[in-house]
Amino acid sequence: DTGVSQDPRHKITKRGQNVTFRCDPISEHNRLYWYRQTLGQGPEFLTYFQNEAQLEKSRLLSDRFSAERPKGSFSTLEIQRTEQGDSAMYLCASSLDRLGYTFGSGTRLTVV
Amino acid sequence: QKEVEQDPGPLSVPEGAIVSLNCTYSNSAFQYFMWYRQYSRKGPELLMYTYSSGNKEDGRFTAQVDKSSKYISLFIRDSQPSDSATYLCAMTNNNDMRFGAGTRLTVKP
Repeated sequence: DTGVSQDPRHKITKRGQNVTFRCDPISEHNRLYWYRQTLGQGPEFLTYFQNEAQLEKSRLLSDRFSAERPKGSFSTLEIQRTEQGDSAMYLCASSLDRLGYTFGSGTRLTVV
Repeated sequence: QKEVEQDPGPLSVPEGAIVSLNCTYSNSAFQYFMWYRQYSRKGPELLMYTYSSGNKEDGRFTAQVDKSSKYISLFIRDSQPSDSATYLCAMTNNNDMRFGAGTRLTVKP
C-alpha cells in the first residue's frame, strides 16, 4: 500500500467554476477525513466518513461543498461556484481509529 | 481566542540543541494530544500521541501533557537538520481534531 493518494496535486480554477478532488485512502482504513489548510495555519476539520456514511460535518462546510464516499472506498470533495476564499490546501486523511491518521499530500487549490 | 494556541516561530537552533515546542488550549474536554510534523508541500505526519496527562518518550522525542494547566509540549533532543519542518500540535475528544497553527523549526548544521 502506498499510503493516502490525492488527485490532482494542484488545481487552478476561475472563480465561479466547480472543482472536484479525489482521495484514495489506505485500503483497510474505514475512517476518512477531509481537512483544509491555509498558509501559516493548521488544518481545519471539514468532514468525516466511517465507511460510506458521512457522520460529521463542520460548520465551515458551506452548502457549496459536498463530499461523498461511495461504497466506503475512495472519496470525492466537490466545491461549487468557487470563490477566492476557497484557495487552500485540501488534505485527506484515513485511519482505523480516531488517532492514527495518515494524511495524503493534499490538493492545492488556487482560485483566480 | 483560538481553541488551540501555538507560537508560530520561526525557531532556529544549532544542530544538537534541545528544542522545546509548546501549545496551550482552552477546551478541557480534549483527552488525546498529538504532535505532527509537516514538511513543505506535504501532508502532516503523526509523530506521537498521548492520552490525558503525563509524559511519553519515543527516541529523541518526548511529549508532555499537563491537563491542569491546559499545556502540552514536545521536546526534541540532539536535534538534526532533518528535523527542520513545521510541527503541529493537535488534540481531540471525538472525531474532529483541532490543530495549532504550527511552529516552523530550522536546525542549522
